[in-house]
Amino acid sequence: GAVVSQHPSWVICKSGTSVKIECRSLDFQATTMFWYRQFPKQSLMLMATSNEGSKATYEQGVEKDKFLINHASLTLSTLTVTSAHPEDSSFYICSASGTRNTGELFFGEGSRLTVL
Amino acid sequence: SQQGEEDPQALSIQEGENATMNCSYKTSINNLQWYRQNSGRGLVHLILIRSNEREKHSGRLRVTLDTSKKSSSLLITASRAADTASYFCATEGGAQKLVFGQGTRLTINP
Repeated sequence: GAVVSQHPSWVICKSGTSVKIECRSLDFQATTMFWYRQFPKQSLMLMATSNEGSKATYEQGVEKDKFLINHASLTLSTLTVTSAHPEDSSFYICSASGTRNTGELFFGEGSRLTVL
Repeated sequence: SQQGEEDPQALSIQEGENATMNCSYKTSINNLQWYRQNSGRGLVHLILIRSNEREKHSGRLRVTLDTSKKSSSLLITASRAADTASYFCATEGGAQKLVFGQGTRLTINP
């Protein structure tokens, strides 16, 4: 199946710093990528939808200035958590949709962010 | 907002038994998908069932969909210890945006 790679898989940072998480589709072109956030033992919450070459669409309640999403190419989307605070600590997962449009999304392995 | 509700929230069974998880949703859908997540890992797609389908099989997995009741079930037969994971249903109503249920934590005891 298709492969989506996320990097880093885990990151620890100090409060106030910015952290960038990358999501890459390795063997297909991802026209759309989705970013989710998951708190421990909870479900995934969709944060935003990014389409290649256009601005991301954020879900209600998600601060676009806080979570910067860039989808500059068909194989890469990035999520930058700006001025991170301890409450931003979470598991962030991306998924990608290819051009085949089979309905199936391919998920990355997730990135665990811990803000001290 | 999360529209999927799953029950049970947690399920513990003996290896070899069957495990059934249920999912309910609120709005109309194009399809419903089931995913598996091992602790601290990403999601693995298990099966997709379209709104015009009622039942689908894949190996030891059987999924049903009842659009009149807005519910779905996932049956894992002959469970194995390696099936221990969290299982999520997700509904897709358009534009491939998935809304996930709360998940069922399945534990298979050897």
